[in-house]
Amino acid sequence: QKEVEQNSGPLSVPEGAIASLNCTYSDRGSQSFFWYRQYSGKSPELIMSIYSNGDKEDGRFTAQLNKASQYVSLLIRDSQPSDSATYLCAVNTGNQFYFGTGTSLTVIP
Amino acid sequence: DVKVTQSSRYLVKRTGEKVFLECVQDMDHENMFWYRQDPGLGLRLIYFSYDVKMKEKGDIPEGYSVSREKKERFSLILESASTNQTSMYLCATRGWHPSTNYGYTFGSGTRLTVV
Repeated sequence: QKEVEQNSGPLSVPEGAIASLNCTYSDRGSQSFFWYRQYSGKSPELIMSIYSNGDKEDGRFTAQLNKASQYVSLLIRDSQPSDSATYLCAVNTGNQFYFGTGTSLTVIP
Repeated sequence: DVKVTQSSRYLVKRTGEKVFLECVQDMDHENMFWYRQDPGLGLRLIYFSYDVKMKEKGDIPEGYSVSREKKERFSLILESASTNQTSMYLCATRGWHPSTNYGYTFGSGTRLTVV
């Protein structure tokens, strides 16, 4: 079992819709969780971090963490074509940092 | 603005060449990492370093070595480049910063092609 699992997609949503990206992790002791956005040919950039159960909002982005169910999700409201990218989930467990393989999102104008 | 700088954006090298990939950070972070990223395989950790002169093997260290003589610089060395080392190479740091908490900050990446 992989430490971090994501649906590779591709996920397609129309412009203005809500995009929902999901990630599950295997280690219950994981403490912190991150979402990175990666445009094609570019390096990952951090967009959200979350440490506590519940929701964390930043502009059009909301990260949701449920430690009991071991999943973390990212919601993108009012999706724009510029949101088209691969989204990587990352989980910090002790001194280790694990990345998922990413979900490809396409926002259709 | 914090920065992790990789010296080359694109590189083309011949099989058997010794290749140096340089990474410099201005974040004063102890932790530095080298990953490669290939389609369908995600990010794979090659080597990491928690301190100057210190290095640890990651998941795929074969064919690579690293050097960390100064805190801000972490170099990846391909001892004898092979075509299966054609990949995107990403350097990253990790440490406290208000913009990243304890998340990773990545360099812009080096797209290496070995012919």
